[in-house]
Amino acid sequence: QSALTQPASVSGSPGQSITISCTGTSSDVGGYNFVSWYQQVTGKAPKLLIHEVSNRPSGISNRFSGSKSGITASLSISGLQTEDEGTYYCCSYTNTSSLVFGGGTKLTVL
Amino acid sequence: QVQLVESGGGVVQPGRSLRLSCAASGFNFRDYAMHWVRQAPGKGLEWVAVISYDGNYKHYGDSVKGRFTISRDNSKDSLYLQMSRLRVEDTSVYYCVRVAAMGLDYWGHGTLVTVSS
Repeated sequence: QSALTQPASVSGSPGQSITISCTGTSSDVGGYNFVSWYQQVTGKAPKLLIHEVSNRPSGISNRFSGSKSGITASLSISGLQTEDEGTYYCCSYTNTSSLVFGGGTKLTVL
Repeated sequence: QVQLVESGGGVVQPGRSLRLSCAASGFNFRDYAMHWVRQAPGKGLEWVAVISYDGNYKHYGDSVKGRFTISRDNSKDSLYLQMSRLRVEDTSVYYCVRVAAMGLDYWGHGTLVTVSS
């Protein structure tokens, strides 16, 4: 199972909005509404931001939102804050009953 | 509060075996499927294995299939990963992860496994 495709890096200024894409295939992202997103700060374990494409766990800011169209899922962050810096990973369930992650996108808040 | 604490990592030679453990607390462990996810130094996340809440279903990533075995002991609130025929490329931080609503909602702090001669 090949990794999902994410941009290596994105950047934005405080207060701005950014979107991170996650492209898969019809065997993973396109075939199931089981896409999740994680934030990882250096040296820490990943943190769940979004599950099932667009659902936020309790305690996650509504500045984070998820969507999907075809084989591409997206994570949007509005009102960027310096604390949003980190690496973001998407993850999808697949047709072989496994999970596959994206390569990660490093977010820099300038 | 939910806690997942991994242990058992260390330095091991290629071809040898190692067993990781994960102690769960703060939730009803027997109600949840559990995963192992790993991360090589400076690299991204890689899914390793999943086990159902009752241990009857197990599934593995292609890179570890036939070499790693996931198991659990619900009476001890513990998850395990038996790793055999270890390779240099298995060097990673291994995370114990709970799954809920198709999201990996709680992660341990991870345990580092280094495979080196």
